[in-house]
Amino acid sequence: SYELTQPPSVSVSPGQTASITCSGDKLGDRYVCWYQQKPGQSPVLIIYQDNKRASGIPERFSGSNSGNTATLTISGTQVMDESDYYCQAWDSSTVVFGGGTKLTVL
Amino acid sequence: QVQLQQSGPGLVRPSETLSLTCSVSGGSISSSYWSWIRQPAGKGLEWIGRIFASGTTSYNPSLKSRLMMSVDTSKNHFSLKLTSVTAADTAVYYCARVGAAAGNGMDVWGQGTTVTVSS
Repeated sequence: SYELTQPPSVSVSPGQTASITCSGDKLGDRYVCWYQQKPGQSPVLIIYQDNKRASGIPERFSGSNSGNTATLTISGTQVMDESDYYCQAWDSSTVVFGGGTKLTVL
Repeated sequence: QVQLQQSGPGLVRPSETLSLTCSVSGGSISSSYWSWIRQPAGKGLEWIGRIFASGTTSYNPSLKSRLMMSVDTSKNHFSLKLTSVTAADTAVYYCARVGAAAGNGMDVWGQGTTVTVSS
C-alpha cells in the first residue's frame, strides 16, 4: 500500500517561514492536499491539487509537489498557525493520509 | 453553504455494529463524493471510505470486509456501518465532502463523533 511520510514535528519562530514536507514514491505524479487541525476541532482543507488554496485560506499558505516530495510552506508564520498538519494523496481510488506534523510556533 | 451534521451512538459494544449518519444541509447530496475518516485519540487521520450519490463506493482495504456505506438521496444523508467492532475501532469519526474533480480535497467536515467500543 502507498505510504506518505511526514516529520513528526517542526518548529518555527513567529514571522519566519515554516516548511512541512510529505514524502512518497513518485508523489509528484499524484495530487496532494493539505489539512490543518487544531486540538478538539475538525480538520480544515488548506491546499488542494498540490498548490491551490482552499476558500478563505490566507495567502501565506502555499504548496508545491515534485519528485518524491510535497511541501507546505507558511510564510510569515503566525502564532495562530500552531496546529497539526496532514498531507493527503490518492492511491488509485483510495485515499492516504500522512502521519501528521505538529507545527510549534515559538 | 454546505454543512454536515453527524449523528449516532457514542458507545458501541464489542462485536456489535457501529452506525453513523451524516446529514447534508445547504446543498444536494447528489453533486459530490462523501467520505468517512476516523482519528484515534492522539493519533493521525485514517481514511475509511467514500461514496457517490449513485452508490458507487471505495473502501480502505484494511476495513473493507467489515464496512458498508450507503446514501439516501431522499433524506440528503449518507451512512456508515462498521461491523464486528473491537477496541481498536475507538476513535473520533468524521464525515466530509469531497470535490468531484481530481485532486479536490475534503472541503467540508462534520463536527466529529467520538465512538468508544467498550462493554
